[in-house]
Amino acid sequence: EADIYQTPRYLVIGTGKKITLECSQTMGHDKMYWYQQDPGMELHLIHYSYGVNSTEKGDLSSESTVSRIRTEHFPLTLESARPSHTSQYLCASSDAGGPRYEQYFGPGTRLTVT
Amino acid sequence: GDSVTQMEGPVTLSEEAFLTINCTYTATGYPSLFWYVQYPGEGLQLLLKATKADDKGSNKGFEATYRKETTSFHLEKGSVQVSDSAVYFCALTTDSNYQLIWGAGTKLIIKP
Repeated sequence: EADIYQTPRYLVIGTGKKITLECSQTMGHDKMYWYQQDPGMELHLIHYSYGVNSTEKGDLSSESTVSRIRTEHFPLTLESARPSHTSQYLCASSDAGGPRYEQYFGPGTRLTVT
Repeated sequence: GDSVTQMEGPVTLSEEAFLTINCTYTATGYPSLFWYVQYPGEGLQLLLKATKADDKGSNKGFEATYRKETTSFHLEKGSVQVSDSAVYFCALTTDSNYQLIWGAGTKLIIKP
């Protein structure tokens, strides 16, 4: 069973606020990912990391930033939230040594910016 | 580049009906293929996978066979239940890319 956690599950916040979405995994996976998804719609990769101190932007341009100081932790930060950031954010991890890079997902954070 | 195409939804069926959700892919090399499921309000869960041609993945009554000749990985279930209502995503990875390449998702609605 995958152990990947995201907090908060739901967040309603006003425009201009700084927010950090937390993601942690206890599987020791070296690769971690952030996706943005409108509920039930296509997934868009916004950030990924292949290890500590390694971060890259994904296919979808995002105003968010990420950090990877510890293997198990991959937080996502929005310096100034806007209504266009309203979406669901999914964190995932994978192990290069695992079965062909299968990804494990957290439950998601549903963000609403008013 | 690599890509995945799935049938558009929503797909609406009655309980106990037979389900097929089509998925075709374009990839260089020999991809691994996956079906993920997303229940309302949740993250994604791996439903099944196949890592080489002619492999059949199966789980919870769902099946999909890796067909290299038709570049397909169609999801099937013989008798669906209301609890199968969800969004289903087809995806692939290749040895040259650690990332999952995703289809757009197919929403499945099962009516009692």
